[in-house]
Amino acid sequence: DTAVSQTPKYLVTQMGNDKSIKCEQNLGHDTMYWYKQDSKKFLKIMFSYNNKELIINETVPNRFSPKSPDKAHLNLHINSLELGDSAVYFCASSQGSVLNNSPLHFGNGTRLTVT
Amino acid sequence: QKEVEQNSGPLSVPEGAIASLNCTYSDRVSQSFFWYRQYSGKSPELIMSIYSNGDKEDGRFTAQLNKASQYVSLLIRDSQPSDSATYLCAVMGGGSYIPTFGRGTSLIVHP
Repeated sequence: DTAVSQTPKYLVTQMGNDKSIKCEQNLGHDTMYWYKQDSKKFLKIMFSYNNKELIINETVPNRFSPKSPDKAHLNLHINSLELGDSAVYFCASSQGSVLNNSPLHFGNGTRLTVT
Repeated sequence: QKEVEQNSGPLSVPEGAIASLNCTYSDRVSQSFFWYRQYSGKSPELIMSIYSNGDKEDGRFTAQLNKASQYVSLLIRDSQPSDSATYLCAVMGGGSYIPTFGRGTSLIVHP
């Protein structure tokens, strides 16, 4: 019973291509996130959605576009991939709200390599 | 800009010893504090959460919070080689439920 699942696990592609990463959670959580983890293990928030509404959009190039068709899914589409986009991308979910600081549950990550 | 600081390590301890991992944060109104463990090539997994000043114990793990000093720590008693991982501190609160992560401390427990 996978709680937060994301696909694919590995993604190798060339510069300039467009790719998507999918994420689904079966925990009934209201909030979903995309984090980018660089080679030095730093986890940086990219986007957060609460009930399909965009809450947070940190300083991320507009080549990155999240899509949330429903509160259980948050996909990430990346246009015109660049070498610097190579990283591990984690999807996460939480029962988060301003009144409830609940912890995050992470997916297994997608290791993106741009050549 | 919220900041969460951790010593990157590596922190090396012998098997059976107590490992002490520290984290400081800049946002004084932070309310929730979490420790995640991340094995190499794996995703972060929650091991402890703490919301009020003092100590919270769970098995071999103890989280300690001092809001006045803006400091949270994680103690691992009877450290095992399987505890070798990167430990990430995360802080939430102040009207935001988006956690800010530290850069993590690498722990190595040697036999």
